[in-house]
Amino acid sequence: TQLLEQSPQFLSIQEGENLTVYCNSSSVFSSLQWYRQEPGEGPVLLVTVVTGGEVKKLKRLTFQFGDARKDSSLHITAAQPGDTGLYLCAGAGQGAQKLVFGQGTRLTINP
Amino acid sequence: DVKVTQSSRYLVKRTGEKVFLECVQDMDHENMFWYRQDPGLGLRLIYFSYDVKMKEKGDIPEGYSVSREKKERFSLILESASTNQTSMYLCASSTTRTGGTEKLFFGSGTQLSVL
Repeated sequence: TQLLEQSPQFLSIQEGENLTVYCNSSSVFSSLQWYRQEPGEGPVLLVTVVTGGEVKKLKRLTFQFGDARKDSSLHITAAQPGDTGLYLCAGAGQGAQKLVFGQGTRLTINP
Repeated sequence: DVKVTQSSRYLVKRTGEKVFLECVQDMDHENMFWYRQDPGLGLRLIYFSYDVKMKEKGDIPEGYSVSREKKERFSLILESASTNQTSMYLCASSTTRTGGTEKLFFGSGTQLSVL
């Protein structure tokens, strides 16, 4: 069974600070996705990374896929209160038909 | 924009009741999914369907069944609700017609409480 471990599970920081969230596995994934879920809503896809070592940027958010395609990170620069939410990573296994989700990182940005 | 609509935001049911959770999507997606979300456990797949009248078990199908009579509608059924089925239920849809990695579109969720 493929598992994705996210760390930290909870993170509370001040506006303007930087942070990194990690998503790790012992399994290789063909691609990895990051979703953000705001209170009262379903998760919304932020990005998909498919190539080992790939880096994608979405404004102040930087996503990286590990060289071995077993892990990923999300770095937020100068966090804003609007970044508050639950961040979920999800991996597509090689040949698998369904995504495997991590347990999530609940991020709170305090004004 | 893709819209995935779940019929209820909140539901309160009693132990032993039969519970129906409905989900409708408007983008002609062939794939539909039901997940439950519990704190610290992430999203766990209950059932999914890649076509009308087709269903596949996910990781935690026990105590649940599904129905997909029309392409746009995917129903989750709790045959006899139990307190350990109290959870947030999320429906999602996707298409693989565009190629590449599947992108899930989620509904807003149904918070089910079983008393």
